[in-house]
Amino acid sequence: QVQLVESGGGVVQPGRSLRLSCAASGFTFSHYGMHWLRQAPGKGLEWVAVITYDGRTKHYGDSVKGRFTISRDNSKNTLSLQMTSLRADDTAVYYCARDVAAVTADYWGQGTLVTVSS
Amino acid sequence: SYILTQPPSVSVAPGQTARITCGGSNIGGFAVHWYQQKAGQAPVQVIFHDSDRPSGIPERLSGSNSGNTATLTISRVEAGDEADYYCQVWLTTSDRMVFGGGTKLTVL
Repeated sequence: QVQLVESGGGVVQPGRSLRLSCAASGFTFSHYGMHWLRQAPGKGLEWVAVITYDGRTKHYGDSVKGRFTISRDNSKNTLSLQMTSLRADDTAVYYCARDVAAVTADYWGQGTLVTVSS
Repeated sequence: SYILTQPPSVSVAPGQTARITCGGSNIGGFAVHWYQQKAGQAPVQVIFHDSDRPSGIPERLSGSNSGNTATLTISRVEAGDEADYYCQVWLTTSDRMVFGGGTKLTVL
């Protein structure tokens, strides 16, 4: 069965960096695009970034463009999100999710909480 | 930017039908996808491409999309349907995913 497990969350000071990881199993990781999404406490869902199956194309949401970088290692079935210049409004649960047809996400991980606070 | 508008809340008695709308300019021209998120859990896709159901999703859940409104319909509502529901589209012109604000379904 498809399994996505995020890790790397925690408490970080404003302006600092953090790297999230997502371990994928139960499907051929190298055949699928992957997304990062997030949900601030008590708020709705927000899309963060997507990467194609081969890592060649990446797109970002406006609120993270220029600060976050999505990447993948198909040899390790791992998706990553490098976050820099973190701000208080980046505080959220971050989810990785599998892309479907470049238009939606079918399977989601359980999420990892990132708290940006001094 | 493209805005998807959902009612903040919908309430329905058990056994009745709940309809959750998602409004957007010419949304009928987009493929709309729906997610269910129960308290403390990750979202689960319940409808994709307007009206298709992933395996394991009951037939009581259905979707439609036309004009400026997409609708998620839940028939014979059960207590276990209580959750937040989000609609989503992909904007090919700007390569980004957009979500509605979410609707909290309360089963009375």
